[in-house]
Amino acid sequence: DGGITQSPKYLFRKEGQNVTLSCEQNLNHDAMYWYRQDPGQGLRLIYYSQIVNDFQKGDIAEGYSVSREKKESFPLTVTSAQKNPTAFYLCASSQPGLAGPSYNEQFFGPGTRLTVL
Amino acid sequence: GENVEQHPSTLSVQEGDSAVIKCTYSDSASNYFPWYKQELGKRPQLIIDIRSNVGEKKDQRIAVTLNKTAKHFSLHITETQPEDSAVYFCAARGHYGGATNKLIFGTGTLLAVQP
Repeated sequence: DGGITQSPKYLFRKEGQNVTLSCEQNLNHDAMYWYRQDPGQGLRLIYYSQIVNDFQKGDIAEGYSVSREKKESFPLTVTSAQKNPTAFYLCASSQPGLAGPSYNEQFFGPGTRLTVL
Repeated sequence: GENVEQHPSTLSVQEGDSAVIKCTYSDSASNYFPWYKQELGKRPQLIIDIRSNVGEKKDQRIAVTLNKTAKHFSLHITETQPEDSAVYFCAARGHYGGATNKLIFGTGTLLAVQP
């Protein structure tokens, strides 16, 4: 499980505030992902980055922004434009194209639970 | 768009019985199918995966089968134990818009193993 960390574990946001969730990995993975998890809806992709300095929108990118200035870091900002941000946020990383047992496996961080007050 | 459907959403079995979770996918180009287990409040963890050139894979009490023609894959857990209780997610990977490592997840199955 080690190698990918998220902080904080719990985060509370007031209406109209932007908040930033941290994700760091020391697995030397090129690809990183942000998912949102809501009860009964599984994991939905917010943003992903296949390589440093590049990222792309996932299925539910509205109200979120990301940056990928360093290979090991992929912070997610939840903006005030996100109308229903209360959820469990998971970050993951993988090494695309790596052969062997870890082929395509996405390793997840422990998650951040965001609550809007 | 591409999607993965997963059934059932909840599954309750007696300890020692088998459990089967089924998923279907829409993109015929999908070539990698992992299964993740998520215990309450914890991160999802990969338990088994299968590639499109294989029809079945086993790892002790866990097995996955793949039917590419039907675009269907299943997770089988035999001799279930209380510690198998968790939410299980299936996923499919395909070449969605050029991003070759993007996974589409099912909505999850809550498995409860009754002692």
